[in-house]
Amino acid sequence: ELKVEQNPLFLSMQEGKNYTIYCNYSTTSDRLYWYRQDPGKSLESLFVLLSNGAVKQEGRLMASLDTKARLSTLHITAAVHDLSATYFCAVEDWGSNYQLIWGAGTKLIIKP
Amino acid sequence: DAGITQSPRYKITETGRQVTLMCHQTWSHSYMFWYRQDLGHGLRLIYYSAAADITDKGEVPDGYVVSRSKTENFPLTLESATRSQTSVYFCATKSSGELFFGEGSRLTVL
Repeated sequence: ELKVEQNPLFLSMQEGKNYTIYCNYSTTSDRLYWYRQDPGKSLESLFVLLSNGAVKQEGRLMASLDTKARLSTLHITAAVHDLSATYFCAVEDWGSNYQLIWGAGTKLIIKP
Repeated sequence: DAGITQSPRYKITETGRQVTLMCHQTWSHSYMFWYRQDLGHGLRLIYYSAAADITDKGEVPDGYVVSRSKTENFPLTLESATRSQTSVYFCATKSSGELFFGEGSRLTVL
C-alpha cells in the first residue's frame, strides 16, 4: 500500500527566507503532483513531475522529483506573504488503478 | 465558462436525512472523483468513475452512493447522513493524470 508523508506539517517563517517542504512515498511511482490550497478554497495544481530528475519552477517555487529516493521537494525562495497556504503532494499509485494518494498537507504561514 | 461546478456549496442537514451533492463538468473528461477533506486526514477518496456507467469505490465509500448516467454529471448521495459525514466534499476530474477540483461543498450534519 502506497503511503505518502509530508514534512513538516506546519511551517511558520519570515518573509525573505528560504525553506523546503519534503514529500516521501513508500512504493515505486514516477508521477508526483503538488497542489496549493488557500483557506476555505479549492485545490490548485502547481506542478506535475513525471520522471526521475524532473524539476519545475514557477516564480519563487521550485519542485523536484527523485524517484530512486522516493522523494520530492518543494523549495520556496525568498518567501513572500502571498505564498501562505497549505501545500499538498500526491503520488500516482500504480497498484490502485493509478489513483492519487495524498500527503496530509503542509500549512505554510509566512509572516511579513 | 468551462470547468467543474458543485452544488450546493453549503448544506446543513440532520442525522438520518438523505443528501445529494451535485457535480457537473463541461470538459468531457472521462474520470471523475469525489473526495472528502477533514482536518487531520487530508484528502480521502470516496468514489470515482472512469466513464459513464462505470464507478468504483475509493478509500472511504461506506455510507455513500454514486451514479454516473451522463459523462458530465457525477452526483454523490448520502442515503442516511451521520455526524461523521460532516466534511468538505470536493469533486474532481482528471486530464493527463492531473486533477482539477471543484470549489467544494461544505456539509454539516447535526
